[in-house]
Amino acid sequence: QQQVKQSPQSLIVQKGGISIINCAYENTAFDYFPWYQQFPGKGPALLIAIRPDVSEKKEGRFTISFNKSAKQFSLHIMDSQPGDSATYFCAASKGAAGNKLTFGGGTRVLVKP
Amino acid sequence: EPEVTQTPSHQVTQMGQEVILRCVPISNHLYFYWYRQILGQKVEFLVSFYNNEISEKSEIFDDQFSVERPDGSNFTLKIRSTKLEDSAMYFCASMKGAVADTQYFGPGTRLTVL
Repeated sequence: QQQVKQSPQSLIVQKGGISIINCAYENTAFDYFPWYQQFPGKGPALLIAIRPDVSEKKEGRFTISFNKSAKQFSLHIMDSQPGDSATYFCAASKGAAGNKLTFGGGTRVLVKP
Repeated sequence: EPEVTQTPSHQVTQMGQEVILRCVPISNHLYFYWYRQILGQKVEFLVSFYNNEISEKSEIFDDQFSVERPDGSNFTLKIRSTKLEDSAMYFCASMKGAVADTQYFGPGTRLTVL
């Protein structure tokens, strides 16, 4: 019940295209859903996060869509650039301060020029 | 911009040896974490630490693991007797303390157990 399932495992997109990564969770106690970006040899870095009281959050070219009833959320990368080539992890945590992050399996995104 | 730092970047050790991985969290943060990532797999939670004690630990974090905040700046993970399966990237993270605040990750220590 603690799992976060992420798909696809990998994604190739042309420059300027849209990358879409999906995640599903089981635990309804989760109420914070961040996306992390990880470049090779680096630690995960927060990209964007959402709480379940909103259905969408946009920051620049990155948008999270959240469907509470379906227990699913997704990351859309608009106008994908070669510099976006990285591994993306969705994650979830429960509300109380200090709670651990439960990560999805990751999606390796390659943006071709 | 403040960042989490970790040393060493790469540690090679023999099976059965003790290792200590070191982290310096962001200075005004209150919550500290260790996660690990086996090559090609997802990031897994190991332990969280707050107010000088463990607040939560995973099944992975057995008696061979321990954490300590020996002074006001360092946060360490000790593995007493390393196993081959401990080979992974270990990430330290810290968080300021608000509900659903951002966890900031360090660059990681790659541990290789031979």
